Amino acid sequence: DTEVTQTPKHLVMGMTNKKSLKCEQHMGHRAMYWYKQKAKKPPELMFVYSYEKLSINESVPSRFSPECPNSSLLNLHLHALQPEDSALYLCASSQGSGTPVAEAFFGQGTRLTVV
Amino acid sequence: AQSVTQLGSHVSVSEGALVLLRCNYSSSVPPYLFWYVQYPNQGLQLLLKYTSAATLVKGINGFEAEFKKSETSFHLTKPSAHMRDAAEYFCAVRSLGGSYIPTFGRGTSLIVHP
Repeated sequence: DTEVTQTPKHLVMGMTNKKSLKCEQHMGHRAMYWYKQKAKKPPELMFVYSYEKLSINESVPSRFSPECPNSSLLNLHLHALQPEDSALYLCASSQGSGTPVAEAFFGQGTRLTVV
Repeated sequence: AQSVTQLGSHVSVSEGALVLLRCNYSSSVPPYLFWYVQYPNQGLQLLLKYTSAATLVKGINGFEAEFKKSETSFHLTKPSAHMRDAAEYFCAVRSLGGSYIPTFGRGTSLIVHP
């Protein structure tokens, strides 16, 4: 199984809503990532979990809150988002930090629209 | 710091023509280089990767790339473009001893004309 599964595929939320994005992998990867991607732009790194611990937070606003309940799951909790947060949110995973040769596997993304 | 530069935000070719997408890297240590493809409204899919085992790397869908240290390049090629190759292509780099987080280029949009 070389899949990273993201749910939901599409999400429309109001600026006062609370929602969560979910990501799951069963490849035994110990690094998991959240990226934000705007149209025609490369993915922008948001968060990295390494061995279930938050290792990188790229100065992301607190209205985005990541969570890694176990080595297979990664969540992104959303609260009080702004319309400019509308984007494709990508989850990825890879073998741990000691294996830079390993590629990152990406999910299909969640298309988020904030209204 | 590791980085990659993709020359040309758009490349337009006719179906059946050669595809050449350019990527140059900047890394103070031996890099590990990747090409990803992204079809509309989908995630990124790995096309191929360079890990120093061979300078010419063959990937999926008929793509290949050649690592040239003297030119610090890792250009992506395909002999004959298909309509289904129209997508966004990203070059990415990781370095041993540097951050294990992949760093992406800005992307090149491949347009294929009938």
